[in-house]
Amino acid sequence: GQSLEQPSEVTAVEGAIVQINCTYQTSGFYGLSWYQQHDGGAPTFLSYNALDGLEETGRFSSFLSRSDSYGYLLLQELQMKDSASYFCAVRGPGGKLIFGQGTELSVKP
Amino acid sequence: GAVVSQHPSRVICKSGTSVKIECRSLDFQATTMFWYRQFPKQSLMLMATSNEGSKATYEQGVEKDKFLINHASLTLSTLTVTSAHPEDSSFYICSASDTGPSSYEQYFGPGTRLTVT
Repeated sequence: GQSLEQPSEVTAVEGAIVQINCTYQTSGFYGLSWYQQHDGGAPTFLSYNALDGLEETGRFSSFLSRSDSYGYLLLQELQMKDSASYFCAVRGPGGKLIFGQGTELSVKP
Repeated sequence: GAVVSQHPSRVICKSGTSVKIECRSLDFQATTMFWYRQFPKQSLMLMATSNEGSKATYEQGVEKDKFLINHASLTLSTLTVTSAHPEDSSFYICSASDTGPSSYEQYFGPGTRLTVT
């Protein structure tokens, strides 16, 4: 079977740093993706890790440890507009994505 | 970035009728498209993988006779919900990936909100 676990919700203040963890158990693993989704909207791609280590894209960074089946998304200099749901997703055979349950991030002033 | 469109954005239909949702890649060719369903406050659940020119591959538990998928061209995939019932009310989202070096990135359509009355 396949399963991904991430916290259901996180709250932080503007300007802070927040880390959203994701652990996974999958039968086929090609990489870990992160997506952001605002209420009623489509998921938008944030980051992808196929190999161990840290990937940095502006205020967002993502980390992967394949030996630990673990990754995280790091959001720096939080802004109010970052309030959204964040999903980790394992990329499996054929390019299909299996999504975690999502973490609802609330950024407070 | 690449653009994927969906039509319609919202649809309300009566129980027992069928609804067709279109997914188009606007500026790239997509040999593979994916269909997801998302209930309120829940995750995206992969329903099926749509391959151009061949039969779709359905995930376990998804009825292929109820959710008909056709991928007639490299830019269009359709999902038809047949004999819809209220429990089929959901947010249906498609995604596509191109064949370039960044093919790990899936581009999502804006979604179609289906309400069955």
